[in-house]
Amino acid sequence: AQTVTQSQPEMSVQEAETVTLSCTYDTSESDYYLFWYKQPPSRQMILVIRQEAYKQQNATENRFSVNFQKAAKSFSLKISDSQLGDAAMYFCAYSTSGTYKYIFGTGTRLKVLA
Amino acid sequence: GAVVSQHPSWVICKSGTSVKIECRSLDFQATTMFWYRQFPKQSLMLMATSNEGSKATYEQGVEKDKFLINHASLTLSTLTVTSAHPEDSSFYICSASKRGGRVETQYFGPGTRLLVL
Repeated sequence: AQTVTQSQPEMSVQEAETVTLSCTYDTSESDYYLFWYKQPPSRQMILVIRQEAYKQQNATENRFSVNFQKAAKSFSLKISDSQLGDAAMYFCAYSTSGTYKYIFGTGTRLKVLA
Repeated sequence: GAVVSQHPSWVICKSGTSVKIECRSLDFQATTMFWYRQFPKQSLMLMATSNEGSKATYEQGVEKDKFLINHASLTLSTLTVTSAHPEDSSFYICSASKRGGRVETQYFGPGTRLLVL
């Protein structure tokens, strides 16, 4: 069975600095997708970034980028130039190609310090 | 875009009553929708997968007679909590699946807070 692990329950970053959130996963599948979602205090889940496993190039969305290491089964999220609005819970999610179900990690709470 | 709405956002009800929560994909059609439950400071727990025109698939441990799901159209899925009790109080979130290229991505509604007195 697939699993997703987020080993950092909480992280803090100074405004304008860079922070990296960790995510590891376990799967025997070769074709799958990985996602990072942000859940601010409003509790609305917002897609931050997604990665297709067959693509070697790391996904990037503005200040957000991932470091996808397929062999190590690692999918970390880097947030550059952190802003106060980045404060939220961040969830890593896995989905096997052909299924639509997600497996979520336990989340990392990110605090941004002014 | 990929906008998903959920209604109501808040509901307070008496024990024993039934509560219906609607989930709509506003600008796309969703063959598959999902219902989650989230306890405070925890991750999302998948309750069921809802497919348009067919019966929902429930996760292990979720009572299908307690949580009725109807996916009547490509833009609407409903979750009915029947004979609600205080232990059903929780935050319920729906999502709708949208294909972009090879990837099926879930887009989430804003959630419904249910309080059963």
